Amino acid sequence: DTAVSQTPKYLVTQMGNDKSIKCEQNLGHDTMYWYKQDSKKFLKIMFSYNNKELIINETVPNRFSPKSPDKAHLNLHINSLELGDSAVYFCASSHRTGSLFFGSGTQLSVL
Amino acid sequence: GDSVTQMEGPVTLSEEAFLTINCTYTATGYPSLFWYVQYPGEGLQLLLKATKADDKGSNKGFEATYRKETTSFHLEKGSVQVSDSAVYFCALRGAGSARQLTFGSGTQLTVLP
Repeated sequence: DTAVSQTPKYLVTQMGNDKSIKCEQNLGHDTMYWYKQDSKKFLKIMFSYNNKELIINETVPNRFSPKSPDKAHLNLHINSLELGDSAVYFCASSHRTGSLFFGSGTQLSVL
Repeated sequence: GDSVTQMEGPVTLSEEAFLTINCTYTATGYPSLFWYVQYPGEGLQLLLKATKADDKGSNKGFEATYRKETTSFHLEKGSVQVSDSAVYFCALRGAGSARQLTFGSGTQLTVLP
């Protein structure tokens, strides 16, 4: 029943590793997003896809690569993880101009 | 570019107190305005929204009015409960081609019994 689900909820890994976070939405939305929330709760958009097409790509290191195999999925792959990547990553979805629905977040800790 | 400025927290209130969290914005055109709430360990949930000037959004006893003349969208509640303790985010969806949502920095609210 979960509208926007992302896995895993917690991710602990070593510097230099490669990891992926998966996101799926069952709301029939055509736009999906990745946001990063830092330790002070500040939210910053990273990417947005509309109908599998990248429409927002903010200033994010190219170690971060989103992949949208279909409208219901938007995964985030991160190469060569760094300490500064530690944060909570949120997936969200919406209709093109509608309100956002968020997943419950993935807490990434890079050691 | 678009931006949202929220009052800094944390805000601590006693149960049944009156709540105001200030939010002002800068945007071109006519943005839509939102308040989101984040409970501990959870994602953000839409609390209320307004899409044009003088609209009032309301939900769960919370209200906010879209004031174009003061570029503000302050959140208010007449009597807060312990269960309202959360982080509150003001946000706008601008008129640019990507129509992305821009968030304020969030305001932590703690309500004491």
